[in-house]
Amino acid sequence: QKEVEQDPGPLSVPEGAIVSLNCTYSNSAFQYFMWYRQYSRKGPELLMYTYSSGNKEDGRFTAQVDKSSKYISLFIRDSQPSDSATYLCAMRTGKLIFGQGTELSVKP
Amino acid sequence: GAVVSQHPSRVICKSGTSVKIECRSLDFQATTMFWYRQFPKQSLMLMATSNEGSKATYEQGVEKDKFLINHASLTLSTLTVTSAHPEDSSFYICSARAGASGQSSYEQYFGPGTRLTVT
Repeated sequence: QKEVEQDPGPLSVPEGAIVSLNCTYSNSAFQYFMWYRQYSRKGPELLMYTYSSGNKEDGRFTAQVDKSSKYISLFIRDSQPSDSATYLCAMRTGKLIFGQGTELSVKP
Repeated sequence: GAVVSQHPSRVICKSGTSVKIECRSLDFQATTMFWYRQFPKQSLMLMATSNEGSKATYEQGVEKDKFLINHASLTLSTLTVTSAHPEDSSFYICSARAGASGQSSYEQYFGPGTRLTVT
């Protein structure tokens, strides 16, 4: 079993839709939870991070962490074509462990 | 925000040759640098972690004699792929983190990646 599981997609939605991206994990020691966005042939860029359980909102993006269920989510409201990218969840105690990434396509 | 650069952005080399990839933190001092490899439609896999002035720590299954890592200064780390073979073709991404490895800082900044193709 992988430490971090993420549905690779691809996920295709119309512009303006609400997108829900999810990851599950097995290591209860994880405390920092991040979401990265990676455009094709580029390095990942940090979108959001949360420490322990809870919600965090930044503009159109909301990150949720449920440590009791070992489940994290990223919601994108009013999705735009420019949001089309691969979204990677990541979590760490010491090392950063990435999920496989979900390929998202937002159609105009 | 903090900027990490990589050079070259893409390289094509012949089988059996060596290739060096540079990773630089442009506006901060990176105590710790990381090297990842990413195959198409797959996640980033950590290859090694290096602290400035120390030997790199390699992940299980990564050949340290093949992937030579040097972290000679607080702003520069290099990855040398020695005697490259076609199966080494991949996207190599470096990452840098400021502060000591024992700190709880989450901020790890990624370079733009280097596409290596071995023919």
